[in-house]
Amino acid sequence: GEQVEQLPSILRVQEGSSASINCTYENSASNYFPWYKQEPGENPKLIIDIRSNMERKQTQGLIVLLDKKAKRFSLHITDTQPGDSAMYFCAALSGSFNKLTFGAGTRLAVCP
Amino acid sequence: EAAVTQSPRSKVAVTGGKVTLSCHQTNNHDYMYWYRQDTGHGLRLIHYSYVADSTEKGDIPDGYKASRPSQENFSLILELASLSQTAVYFCASSPGQFSNERLFFGHGTKLSVL
Repeated sequence: GEQVEQLPSILRVQEGSSASINCTYENSASNYFPWYKQEPGENPKLIIDIRSNMERKQTQGLIVLLDKKAKRFSLHITDTQPGDSAMYFCAALSGSFNKLTFGAGTRLAVCP
Repeated sequence: EAAVTQSPRSKVAVTGGKVTLSCHQTNNHDYMYWYRQDTGHGLRLIHYSYVADSTEKGDIPDGYKASRPSQENFSLILELASLSQTAVYFCASSPGQFSNERLFFGHGTKLSVL
């Protein structure tokens, strides 16, 4: 199986600053690492992902870093806006089946 | 945008009663999943299916059954609901393990067991 630890559980930042969320995983065979954003009362939606053949991926103010040796991956949100306030989940995929293991989530609050 | 529809959106059930949560997808996806969301635990996989008429156990299957009568429909069944099963339940679908692992979630069912 797989275990994913996600920290911090709560993150408060000032508008315009950066926010970082870190996740670690146990299974060295994990090869796909997505990030989902869940706004209040809504369903989780994929915002960015990275595969094990990459170390960095960037899109629209989001940066994902993957360190396979340390079994660690992270999400960095640059220039945070109030609309970035949400719950964020990291996940790792391993095994022969398309099964994701999610972290416990980070509640991000962007304060004006 | 892929569409996954769950019903009901919320439900109150009594302890020991039977509860059925339904999920319908119009994405033509082979894979469907049931997740449970609790504060502090993120999303945990209960059951999944990759073909009609077949279901598999996820990480926390105890107390739940699943049914996949067709590619489009996937149900979660609580035969004897318990207080500990109070949670938000999400259904999701995905195209397949070798093409695209992205999950498309429904809007969730908030279940309260009293």
